[in-house]
Amino acid sequence: NAGVMQNPRHLVRRRGQEARLRCSPMKGHSHVYWYRQLPEEGLKFMVYLQKENIIDESGMPKERFSAEFPKEGPSILRIQQVVRGDSAAYFCASSPTRTPRDRGANYGYTFGSGTRLTVV
Amino acid sequence: AQSVTQLDSQVPVFEEAPVELRCNYSSSVSVYLFWYVQYPNQGLQLLLKYLSGSTLVESINGFEAEFNKSQTSFHLRKPSVHISDTAEYFCAVSDTGSGNTGKLIFGQGTTLQVKP
Repeated sequence: NAGVMQNPRHLVRRRGQEARLRCSPMKGHSHVYWYRQLPEEGLKFMVYLQKENIIDESGMPKERFSAEFPKEGPSILRIQQVVRGDSAAYFCASSPTRTPRDRGANYGYTFGSGTRLTVV
Repeated sequence: AQSVTQLDSQVPVFEEAPVELRCNYSSSVSVYLFWYVQYPNQGLQLLLKYLSGSTLVESINGFEAEFNKSQTSFHLRKPSVHISDTAEYFCAVSDTGSGNTGKLIFGQGTTLQVKP
């Protein structure tokens, strides 16, 4: 059972370009979370998605950032017109279909290895 | 709203010495508590978690953490560290309410540097 797969591992973009980060959750997981880790900081929640639905986007910047999790295929985090301040590691995590309160002893989700975005 | 404070950004320690990584949280509701470990250029791995029951939780590689509700702390300890424990450690919380979406609030991280 493959873990959470993120690609690419490293992404270099020039200012003003678009960055697309992909996340394939673990098999059977239909909940996906995106986090951003800025240099020397902890992870910050960005968005929580279920298949075809955005559930919580309270951590997403208001402009240039968007996320989707289509019925088929990976979840995509898109950053338009990237700026230097977008340089960070972006992590995706997935969890099973049960709600957090129902997960009991299995609570906790699985992180991917991240995409490291560098804007030059 | 919740917040997590990891009091030490870096903790240098010699191999086989004991270590404690401190974590305090702030929350108006009950929380679940987690410690994650991140090795260089890798994702986060769950080290241990407190959901309910015994306030002392243990991991398979010798770490333990104790939930102290009165002090709102969840410090991580290991009686004897190895070089391979060198990594970044993150404390995190998630609220237990019915509206909980499962998102985690992370501390800033503590770099554990184990020296030979």
